[in-house]
Amino acid sequence: DIRMTQSPSSLSASVGDRVTFTCQASQDISNRLHWFQQKAGKAPKLLIYDASRLETGVPSRFSGSGSGTEFSFTISSLQPEDIATYYCHQYESLPYTFGQGTQLDMK
Amino acid sequence: VQLVESGGGPVKPGRSLRLSCAASGFSFSTFTMNWIRQAPGRGLEWVASISGGSEHIYYADSVKGRFTISRDNARNSLYLQMDSVRAEDTAVYYCVYVFLYWGQGTLVTVSS
Repeated sequence: DIRMTQSPSSLSASVGDRVTFTCQASQDISNRLHWFQQKAGKAPKLLIYDASRLETGVPSRFSGSGSGTEFSFTISSLQPEDIATYYCHQYESLPYTFGQGTQLDMK
Repeated sequence: VQLVESGGGPVKPGRSLRLSCAASGFSFSTFTMNWIRQAPGRGLEWVASISGGSEHIYYADSVKGRFTISRDNARNSLYLQMDSVRAEDTAVYYCVYVFLYWGQGTLVTVSS
């Protein structure tokens, strides 16, 4: 199975901050990576697919990059509504696997 | 697109439960569907996938041999038959289409 490791596990930031977290795959997954946002009590929401492509309707302050085994996710200017847990997810091969999540809080 | 899960609830260890997902707003029979679960306070875990015509079915090792995914394209419905449930199967179960559309989830609680 492909192991997905996110860092950090949690992060506190202020409104307007640039926030970046990372996801590492245990083997090459090309660009077959999703980033999801999950707010408390809600289903996950797809933000990024193919590692760097923004899903329709997602604000442009969100971005993703990387390929192979190293990936990153950036919020260019943190907004209060961005408080959530973020998960990376590989769909290169079964079983599909998720990172453990990065919990983003407001400082 | 709308996905509505049902069938969750309390169940005793070793018993069975059947989850359903009613789909609408897209060509249901064309696409692979997934069940993904999330234990309370934990991360996301892929459970099972089924292709549009049910030719290809895959399971996570944690549920293989106990859970069965199926679909009825005439009814636009997805199912998860959960047999021999264990405490570690306690989770919110989501019906997911192309990882873009998720249902609201249905909570399964396995406890004696």
